[in-house]
Parts: sequence; structure tokens; C-alpha cells
Amino acid sequence: DAGVIQSPRHEVTEMGQEVTLRCKPISGHNSLFWYRQTMMRGLELLIYFNNNVPIDDSGMPEDRFSAKMPNASFSTLKIQPSEPRDSAVYFCASRLTGDYGYTFGSGTRLTVV
Amino acid sequence: QKEVEQNSGPLSVPEGAIASLNCTYSDRGSQSFFWYRQYSGKSPELIMSIYSNGDKEDGRFTAQLNKASQYVSLLIRDSQPSDSATYLCAVSRDDKIIFGKGTRLHILP
Repeated sequence: DAGVIQSPRHEVTEMGQEVTLRCKPISGHNSLFWYRQTMMRGLELLIYFNNNVPIDDSGMPEDRFSAKMPNASFSTLKIQPSEPRDSAVYFCASRLTGDYGYTFGSGTRLTVV
Repeated sequence: QKEVEQNSGPLSVPEGAIASLNCTYSDRGSQSFFWYRQYSGKSPELIMSIYSNGDKEDGRFTAQLNKASQYVSLLIRDSQPSDSATYLCAVSRDDKIIFGKGTRLHILP
């Protein structure tokens, strides 16, 4: 099992540019979650999907953020336009629906300059 | 009130001693409780889950849950330098897992 795969591992971009983060969940997992981690705010849940359907996006900070899950094996988180305050580590996690903990990907460290 | 609260630390514990990490949560409807370990620059890793009141032991780790007090704890026996990390408490209701900011644990050799 390859685990949850995220790309890229690191992203440096200029303010105003579009950023797309990618995630491949563990095969068979039907729930997918996007988190953002900063020193100040810790791990924040941005959005999660069940069976490819967005269930709760109340954590998405503003309209500049959007997420899609076109199929069971792929999800994207897009920031357009990016701002320096978006700099953080973005994690994707997946699990089988039910009382199980998540499995996290390695994360994408985003720096907006 | 924050949903999941932890002391940020750092908590310094001598090697071989017991490390005790604590967490409180605000949502009485929370159903599942987790402890994650996160090494610097790495992703969180699940180390314990607990769903009912009482203790659950796994090797050197013991998770304790008291739903009436809305309190979760993690004990690490025979602490090793490799246990030095940030420990994240997490609680789940339905599908969502909410994390605390974590407690930094430092094991002194």
C-alpha cells in the first residue's frame, strides 16, 4: 500500500498566482480530508468528501480556495489568487467511513512570497 | 472555547520515566478519540484510538478517556528519546476529526 500521496512536496509561488495541490487517497478509502497546518492555528480542517461528494466546506477560509474530487482516486485543492498568508503545510488524509483514524499524506509545504 | 485544548509544552521528561499528556474537549457529542504523534517536518501518525470510558493499553502507550469530564490523556511508559515529538489530541463526531494544537514532548537522555 503506497499510502496517501500528495504532490508537490514543496511549492514556492508569487502572490497572485494560482496554486494547485494534488492528493491520491489510499485505494478503498471513501473519505478524504484536506487540512492546513500553521504554528499559530494548528491543524485546521478545510473540507472533506465522502464518496467523492463534498460534505462540509465550512473550514475553507474564503472564495479563493476551492476543492474537487472528480473520482475516488484523485482530489485537488486550488488557491486562486494566492496570498502570503496562505503559506502553510497542507495535508490530505483519507480513511474508510466509520470510527477509524485518518492516514495522512506527507503534506505540501506552500510558500507564497 | 476551543474545541480541543492541550498544553503546548514543551513537556520535558527524563528517559525511562512516564510522560503524561492531557487534553480536554468541548463537544459532548464526540464519539471517538485519537492521539497522533508528529515528528518535526513530518505528517501526523495515529498511535492510539479510544472509544469508551476507561483505559486502553498498547505496548508502552495507555490512552485514558473520561467522557463525563470531557478529558482524554496519554501515558507513555519507559520514555525513550525517540518519543520526542509533538502529540496531537483529536476528537471525532460523525466524519470530522478536530485536532488540538499539540503538546511538544522532549525526552531528556
